[in-house]
Amino acid sequence: NAGVTQTPKFRVLKTGQSMTLLCAQDMNHEYMYWYRQDPGMGLRLIHYSVGEGTTAKGEVPDGYNVSRLKKQNFLLGLESAAPSQTSVYFCASSRRGVQETQYFGPGTRLLVL
Amino acid sequence: AQKITQTQPGMFVQEKEAVTLDCTYDTSDPSYGLFWYKQPSSGEMIFLIYQGSYDQQNATEGRYSLNFQKARKSANLVISASQLGDSAMYFCAMREALEDTDKLIFGTGTRLQVFP
Repeated sequence: NAGVTQTPKFRVLKTGQSMTLLCAQDMNHEYMYWYRQDPGMGLRLIHYSVGEGTTAKGEVPDGYNVSRLKKQNFLLGLESAAPSQTSVYFCASSRRGVQETQYFGPGTRLLVL
Repeated sequence: AQKITQTQPGMFVQEKEAVTLDCTYDTSDPSYGLFWYKQPSSGEMIFLIYQGSYDQQNATEGRYSLNFQKARKSANLVISASQLGDSAMYFCAMREALEDTDKLIFGTGTRLQVFP
């Protein structure tokens, strides 16, 4: 099992450009999450999904959109990147339920110039 | 609002010694869960250990144990017999209920350095 994988690992964007981050999991998990990690801070939830075709906003959703067309994939989109979105992005997944451990991917480092 | 506090920005420990990383939390929910994650320099977040608020015993996973003191609202991570590979950032996190799942509230982390 690969667990949770993320592509790309690193990306540089110019302000205003768009991109999509891909998260894939092979653990048959129902729930998936996108977090961002900024220097000196812990992770903060951007969006999450409790199943195929459903998404919801987390703590810091502005400037991001997500889609969960397939159970194993969770996409995070930036329509018009801003320097404030420079961060490390982590995807996580968990089994169904409200007390399940979340397992994280390796992260995507994004730099917006 | 729920909050996690890690007051140690950095810690040093000699190889083979034990080290305690502090974590205090604040919540009004009677049911909650506490997690510790390790983030090595390669960047991934690795789940280490979990403690539920109703668990009668402190959680243990190999060399990791969680010193859970409910009345003091602390959930310190104890690493026994430190190894050089334990050098990493360590994050304490608490589950916060959403409408249909949980999110994790993270502390700011403690950087542990193990020296020979």
